[in-house]
Amino acid sequence: NAGVTQTPKFRILKIGQSMTLQCTQDMNHNYMYWYRQDPGMGLKLIYYSVGAGITDKGEVPNGYNVSRSTTEDFPLRLELAAPSQTSVYFCASSSAGAIQGHEQYFGPGTRLTVT
Amino acid sequence: AQTVTQSQPEMSVQEAETVTLSCTYDTSESDYYLFWYKQPPSRQMILVIRQEAYKQQNATENRFSVNFQKAAKSFSLKISDSQLGDAAMYFCAYSGTSGTYKYIFGTGTRLKVLA
Repeated sequence: NAGVTQTPKFRILKIGQSMTLQCTQDMNHNYMYWYRQDPGMGLKLIYYSVGAGITDKGEVPNGYNVSRSTTEDFPLRLELAAPSQTSVYFCASSSAGAIQGHEQYFGPGTRLTVT
Repeated sequence: AQTVTQSQPEMSVQEAETVTLSCTYDTSESDYYLFWYKQPPSRQMILVIRQEAYKQQNATENRFSVNFQKAAKSFSLKISDSQLGDAAMYFCAYSGTSGTYKYIFGTGTRLKVLA
């Protein structure tokens, strides 16, 4: 299993540009999450999904959009990039089953710089 | 709303010594999970240890153990026989068992291991 994969690893955007961060998991997990991690800080939840076709906002959803058309994929869309969106973005998934203890599996992250 | 607090931004430990990282949390739920994640310079988030709230026994994984005090809402991580490879950011996280199984992360503690 590849686990959780994210592309790209690095990206530089100009203010006002748009882009999509890709996230794919091959563990058949229902739950998927997008976080951002600002320098020296913890992870803040942007959006999450509890299954295909179901998404909901986290703590910091402004400026982002998501979709979940399949169990495997959970892309994050930035429509009008702003310098405040400079961050490292992590995608994660979990089965949410009690046996698994809700462990989250993380992708390697995408470092995004908006200038 | 649930919160997770890590009051130690940075800790240092001598190689082969023991160090304890603190975490407190606030919740009104009776059943939940607590986690410690390690983030080395590679940025990959790695699960170190997990604790289920209904289990009174403290979790242990090799050199890593926790001191879980449910009434005090405290969840500290003890690292014994510290190794250079333990140097990383350590994040405490909370996951509820009702609703959407969202994670809430603390701001992290940077652990330095001195040779």
